[in-house]
Amino acid sequence: NAGVTQTPKFRILKIGQSMTLQCAQDMNHNYMYWYRQDPGMGLKLIYYSVGAGITDKGEVPNGYNVSRSTTEDFPLRLELAAPSQTSVYFCASSLSGTSYEQYFGPGTRLTVT
Amino acid sequence: KNQVEQSPQSLIILEGKNCTLQCNYTVSPFSNLRWYKQDTGRGPVSLTIMTFSENTKSNGRYTATLDADTKQSSLHITASQLSDSASYICVVSQLAGGSYIPTFGRGTSLIVHP
Repeated sequence: NAGVTQTPKFRILKIGQSMTLQCAQDMNHNYMYWYRQDPGMGLKLIYYSVGAGITDKGEVPNGYNVSRSTTEDFPLRLELAAPSQTSVYFCASSLSGTSYEQYFGPGTRLTVT
Repeated sequence: KNQVEQSPQSLIILEGKNCTLQCNYTVSPFSNLRWYKQDTGRGPVSLTIMTFSENTKSNGRYTATLDADTKQSSLHITASQLSDSASYICVVSQLAGGSYIPTFGRGTSLIVHP
């Protein structure tokens, strides 16, 4: 049981490049989330999903896209990377809604230069 | 605007001492409040979750309290250990039209010295 896994751990992108951050969970959780954490700031929700085929925007969705074709996977796509997207990205999952414990992945540190 | 304010921003204590971290929020309507521990370079790990009707919850040496009337929460750490050195994050969730809207505090950085 690996929990929530994220790849890659680190990545450097040039401005305008695109990439996909991978997230997978093996706990059969319905809910999955993407957050970003900027230095000295609280985590902010980018997108979340309540089940396969269903996604919804969080607080800061601009510049990102998600898909949820399976229960296990929830990739985050960055199109046309910008320096403002330099951050640490965390994926999380929970069995159901907000009353349930969220399990976080180890994070992906992304730098856009 | 929904806000979660944590204090102090940072705290240094000696091993074995107790400490209390504070969280004030303006999130409404309130769904639940969580405390997380985040070690450097890792994802947050849940310590406690409290709903409106709960005013205290413990997890080992960690005890969280919630006063929903004054919109305040605290996290008390008893008999601190070196491994308690981490950032402690308060998160308040709001239910808005069935959507999940969490507001994260910036965290309190705790350093425990031997």
